Amino acid sequence: SYVLTQPPSVSVAPGQTARITCGGNNIGSKSVHWYQQKPGQAPVLVVYDDSDRPSGIPERFSGSNSGNTATLTISRVEAGDEADYYCQVWDSSSDHRVVFGGGTKLTVL
Amino acid sequence: QVQLQQWGAGLLKPSETLSLTCAVYGGSFSGYYWSWIRQPPGKGLEWIGEINHSGSTNYNPSLKSRVTISVDTSKNQFSLKLSSVTAADTAVYYCARRYCSSTSCPFDWYFDLWGRGTLVTVSS
Repeated sequence: SYVLTQPPSVSVAPGQTARITCGGNNIGSKSVHWYQQKPGQAPVLVVYDDSDRPSGIPERFSGSNSGNTATLTISRVEAGDEADYYCQVWDSSSDHRVVFGGGTKLTVL
Repeated sequence: QVQLQQWGAGLLKPSETLSLTCAVYGGSFSGYYWSWIRQPPGKGLEWIGEINHSGSTNYNPSLKSRVTISVDTSKNQFSLKLSSVTAADTAVYYCARRYCSSTSCPFDWYFDLWGRGTLVTVSS
């Protein structure tokens, strides 16, 4: 089945830019979706279809996808952005259908 | 606005059957697939399976032999049963709505609405 690889952790200072990657074989041919999960809470969709934002998600959250890597970019990072972030794709070629990355813990220094 | 409310037993013994229900309030139930997703403590997300209003299901192959997802359209509810649980099934279980945008349907899907989660602990 399809595998998505994320770095376990990313650290960034407030006001700086955080980039969280999601690697997969030819992931650029798929749509990638990103979720933010804060401790004790359900995941929240922050980017869908590689780079679109749901209503209510700040413009500071953006995404890109090309080749073997998709990237979630968080500009002007705030303390409230500290959370786990998961990428996800829909793998219609597999019975597994839904594939999540292992998650990345974003720490705001 | 659409909300998902879930409930079920939170403490089970090994070999028992996990049973959870999720109700959909404030929006359409038909026309969507409704999923169960779980997260073991300190670990990542795992899709369990899904169902639509007609009762059509898809399951994660790794859990398929133990999972049953059913639907009650009269109540806008869907349910999860996981049999023969072990400590490895200890997790927070979420219900969620599968969705796609106008540009990606019907090829790429994501989860736009989630329940609050139910912690299920399996312990003797």
